[in-house]
Amino acid sequence: AQSVTQLDSQVPVFEEAPVELRCNYSSSVSVYLFWYVQYPNQGLQLLLKYLSGSTLVKGINGFEAEFNKSQTSFHLRKPSVHISDTAEYFCAVSEEGGSQGNLIFGKGTKLSVKP
Amino acid sequence: EAEVAQSPRYKITEKSQAVAFWCDPISGHATLYWYRQILGQGPELLVQFQDESVVDDSQLPKDRFSAERLKGVDSTLKIQPAELGDSAMYLCASSLAFFGENTEAFFGQGTRLTVV
Repeated sequence: AQSVTQLDSQVPVFEEAPVELRCNYSSSVSVYLFWYVQYPNQGLQLLLKYLSGSTLVKGINGFEAEFNKSQTSFHLRKPSVHISDTAEYFCAVSEEGGSQGNLIFGKGTKLSVKP
Repeated sequence: EAEVAQSPRYKITEKSQAVAFWCDPISGHATLYWYRQILGQGPELLVQFQDESVVDDSQLPKDRFSAERLKGVDSTLKIQPAELGDSAMYLCASSLAFFGENTEAFFGQGTRLTVV
């Protein structure tokens, strides 16, 4: 069985400051890792994913994440946030080699960017 | 740009009534998923289809929920009877394939259900 823990339910930050959203996972098998963003009353948009290869993954909108297997973590970072980054962010896992749509999600982190 | 279409966007229904949601995946996508997202939680997979066949419905509350994808294209999720605890966002997603490289899921805008 797999589980995902997002350590912060809310993260307030000022515009142009850096931000890190934390994600840890637990799994008895190898996994793929994902970050999704959700704007109010909208669906989910994929920010980035780790399937294999380089542990530093770059995504859309200037976000990046690093896979750390020993710490079972996949933290999301952005060096300088904008007001438009205000949204909820979800970390998710799927079983390696399986369907990337069969996902286990964390509870989400609400990022609030203040001017 | 191709996208997953869902309707309605919002639905208010009374407790014990029947309600249905519709999803049209991206053209050519063989795999379709229904997720439920309760307020303040992450999405939870309810059912997964490969073409018209159910691959995984282990989390679907089968006493009141049903899902079908008769021709392997669009899909309907039904709740009968609806309960207050069913209030949630229902998300549909699709992917090109079930195995291999082309399995990235693309999500629709969702249907927000409120049961009163």
